[in-house]
Amino acid sequence: EVQLVESGGGLVKPGGSLRLSCAASGFTFSHAWMNWVRQSPGKGLEWVGRVKSKADGGTTDYTAPVKGRFTISRDDSRDTLFLQLNSLKTEDTAVYYCTPDPLKGDWGQGTLVTVSS
Amino acid sequence: QSALTQPASVSGSPGQSITISCTGTSSDVGAYNHVSWFQQHPGKAPKLMIFDVSNRPSGVSNRFSGSKSGNTASLTISGLQAEDETDYYCSSYTSSSPLYVFGTGTKVTVL
Repeated sequence: EVQLVESGGGLVKPGGSLRLSCAASGFTFSHAWMNWVRQSPGKGLEWVGRVKSKADGGTTDYTAPVKGRFTISRDDSRDTLFLQLNSLKTEDTAVYYCTPDPLKGDWGQGTLVTVSS
Repeated sequence: QSALTQPASVSGSPGQSITISCTGTSSDVGAYNHVSWFQQHPGKAPKLMIFDVSNRPSGVSNRFSGSKSGNTASLTISGLQAEDETDYYCSSYTSSSPLYVFGTGTKVTVL
């Protein structure tokens, strides 16, 4: 059974930083292309970015609003995905989910990031 | 790339059928058969109801069905039940960044 457990969320001031983690199990993490998706309170879902498997180059892609501020990385030895959030803005307030495929059913429970002064 | 367009709300009586539309463009919904539908209860993670336009994951009721015509995908809920009252989102792969787009969301109300 696929399990994804996000952590690291919290309250941070505008301009601050945070590092989110996603611990994965139940599938071959090193083979998976992993994604982050976020959902602002009371709003819709938004794809944040993706990291390919190392075998496929390990490259990353991001949505425009976070490019240059967010960084996705992975530690295949620990089956863990990371999202480094820098220069945070109030509009980054959201629940952040990790998933191997945003179009399929394996999602974590999410971790809440609140950006507020 | 804008979000996919869904009606803000759809309602129906128990036992009736309702359909939620999801309108995109020729770069997303119209280009790929990679359209999914999610059900989301408040405070919970999205739950996959339909993938690849019309496929149901194991365990999802056959009252849920999906289809697509051109740039518009649709989710139909047949035999509407009280437990179906919640939010629904569509999503699609796209040909350029962002790689995935989601719908604006539809609140289903069972009258």
